Amino acid sequence: RKEVEQDPGPFNVPEGATVAFNCTYSNSASQSFFWYRQDCRKEPKLLMSVYSSGNEDGRFTAQLNRASQYISLLIRDSKLSDSATYLCVVNIRMYGGATNKLIFGTGTLLAVQP
Amino acid sequence: EAGVAQSPRYKIIEKRQSVAFWCNPISGHATLYWYQQILGQGPKLLIQFQNNGVVDDSQLPKDRFSAERLKGVDSTLKIQPAKLEDSAVYLCASSPTGTASQPQHFGDGTRLSIL
Repeated sequence: RKEVEQDPGPFNVPEGATVAFNCTYSNSASQSFFWYRQDCRKEPKLLMSVYSSGNEDGRFTAQLNRASQYISLLIRDSKLSDSATYLCVVNIRMYGGATNKLIFGTGTLLAVQP
Repeated sequence: EAGVAQSPRYKIIEKRQSVAFWCNPISGHATLYWYQQILGQGPKLLIQFQNNGVVDDSQLPKDRFSAERLKGVDSTLKIQPAKLEDSAVYLCASSPTGTASQPQHFGDGTRLSIL
């Protein structure tokens, strides 16, 4: 089983649609959680951190359920510029807390259509 | 603030040749990471440095890959000899201290093609 699992997509949605991405993780030592965005042939960039209480940044809402080890990202009113791959990322504690390690999912490809 | 710098952007070599990549992290960032991203997959950590010391190289294929960060700033990643399956984008990232809550900042990556 992969440490971080995502639906690879692609998700093809029209402009203005609401789209949701789901992610599950297997390591209970996971400490912090992020969504990164990666445009085609570009580097990953942090989109937002994910907190247990849920957090919102404009049209983007992230949720975390530690009991179910589940993370989600909701995008409302999709724009053409939202087309990208969305990477679910989990930070796990290593070596008794001496260091931390990011584990990336394979990413979910979103294509917003005009 | 200048971002993470990597070079070269692209590299094409034949299998069994050697290749080296260079990374200059964001100024003041103590933690530096090298990732391998194969097409269609998420980045996979190869090695993590804290200043000039290695803190995690568990997924580095040490028979052919090596990395160093001698002065705790710039880093190089080398592959010798290269195999076809090494074709990937090699991403360097840095963070201030490597704590769990800090996001990592990535460079543009080096796209490696093995013929």
